[in-house]
Amino acid sequence: AQKVTQAQTEISVVEKEDVTLDCVYETRDTTYYLFWYKQPPSGELVFLIRRNSFDEQNEISGRYSWNFQKSTSSFNFTITASQVVDSAVYFCALSGSGDDKIIFGKGTRLHILP
Amino acid sequence: EPEVTQTPSHQVTQMGQEVILRCVPISNHLYFYWYRQILGQKVEFLVSFYNNEISEKSEIFDDQFSVERPDGSNFTLKIRSTKLEDSAMYFCASSDVGSSYNSPLHFGNGTRLTVT
Repeated sequence: AQKVTQAQTEISVVEKEDVTLDCVYETRDTTYYLFWYKQPPSGELVFLIRRNSFDEQNEISGRYSWNFQKSTSSFNFTITASQVVDSAVYFCALSGSGDDKIIFGKGTRLHILP
Repeated sequence: EPEVTQTPSHQVTQMGQEVILRCVPISNHLYFYWYRQILGQKVEFLVSFYNNEISEKSEIFDDQFSVERPDGSNFTLKIRSTKLEDSAMYFCASSDVGSSYNSPLHFGNGTRLTVT
């Protein structure tokens, strides 16, 4: 069975602090895909990143970075120098190869305090 | 940038009524999806649709749900007899390639359905 666990339900940090959102996944597939989506207060789902299971290189995009560690089945997301506009719910998600659906975690609600 | 469009943004309906949620996927996309998010909870897969037929559906997608692509642009989700527990945000999504490549899904802004 596939499962995504985001143990942090809610996090609050002061603006400009760095914050890491944890994601642990379970799958029996050898090929799979991991995603992060952002859901701002307006409600839409915004795609942030996709990773396949053969690409363990960490990725940096501006203030965002992702740490994929297959050994610990984790795909953590770090925001450096956080800003108030980063306040949102962040979802980690997983999809197996040949699988149409994406399995979402329960999300982490991030509050960036001014 | 092309986007997935959903209408209406908010729909209120009475229990037992039929409701149709509408979506216009990105024009060159071939794979279409509906997801649901009950308030404050996680996003759940409902159904995927390709080549004019359902390719996968979840346990949530029971006989009261149906999907259709009535023309070349729209993709609809119908709930035949709504229940209170159908109240949720419904997201439409589309992608240009299928599961083999797991192209990122492009989500619409959602339709908030309230069943009273």
